[in-house]
Amino acid sequence: EDQVTQSPEALRLQEGESSSLNCSYTVSGLRGLFWYRQDPGKGPEFLFTLYSAGEEKEKERLKATLTKKESFLHITAPKPEDSATYLCAVPPDLNSGGYQKVTFGTGTKLQVIP
Amino acid sequence: DGGITQSPKYLFRKEGQNVTLSCEQNLNHDAMYWYRQDPGQGLRLIYYSQIVNDFQKGDIAEGYSVSREKKESFPLTVTSAQKNPTAFYLCASKDFGGTRQYFGPGTRLTVT
Repeated sequence: EDQVTQSPEALRLQEGESSSLNCSYTVSGLRGLFWYRQDPGKGPEFLFTLYSAGEEKEKERLKATLTKKESFLHITAPKPEDSATYLCAVPPDLNSGGYQKVTFGTGTKLQVIP
Repeated sequence: DGGITQSPKYLFRKEGQNVTLSCEQNLNHDAMYWYRQDPGQGLRLIYYSQIVNDFQKGDIAEGYSVSREKKESFPLTVTSAQKNPTAFYLCASKDFGGTRQYFGPGTRLTVT
């Protein structure tokens, strides 16, 4: 069974203080990884899909990287508006047939202090 | 604009009452999902449907029911048998051949 673990559970940063969030996974064959941002009381908003080890994607102050065992979401010089919960997820194995389950981590709650 | 709508945003019910949460999508996606989100527990799958008139139980289906009579709609009923129904409920959809899920804005249900 696929497993996704995120760390830390919560992270508090000063504005401008760069850091990284971790998502480690155990899956039956790497088939990509998603990152979502979720604001309180709202649905998750898609950020990135990473398909293969070594791949990197960037969006404003966010940069996602992927290895064979984990993914990092690097936040460079964060601003208060970056405060949110960040979720990672592993897509279903489309070759498995039947139940196509996306496996989510429990998220990292980021707070950026002005 | 294509997307997923959930209504209402906030819902209050008395214990013992059934309540139905609405989810509609105009993305022409085949698969639709219902998740429950509680603090510190991440997203837990309640039910999913890959085609019209077919749906399957997820990890925590007890006390819930669904229907899929139209491709666009996947309503969730929280029955009085659900022991702890107060939570944030998220609907999602996905094209059958794709991997990424698209989420609705969520419905916060409070049962007292």
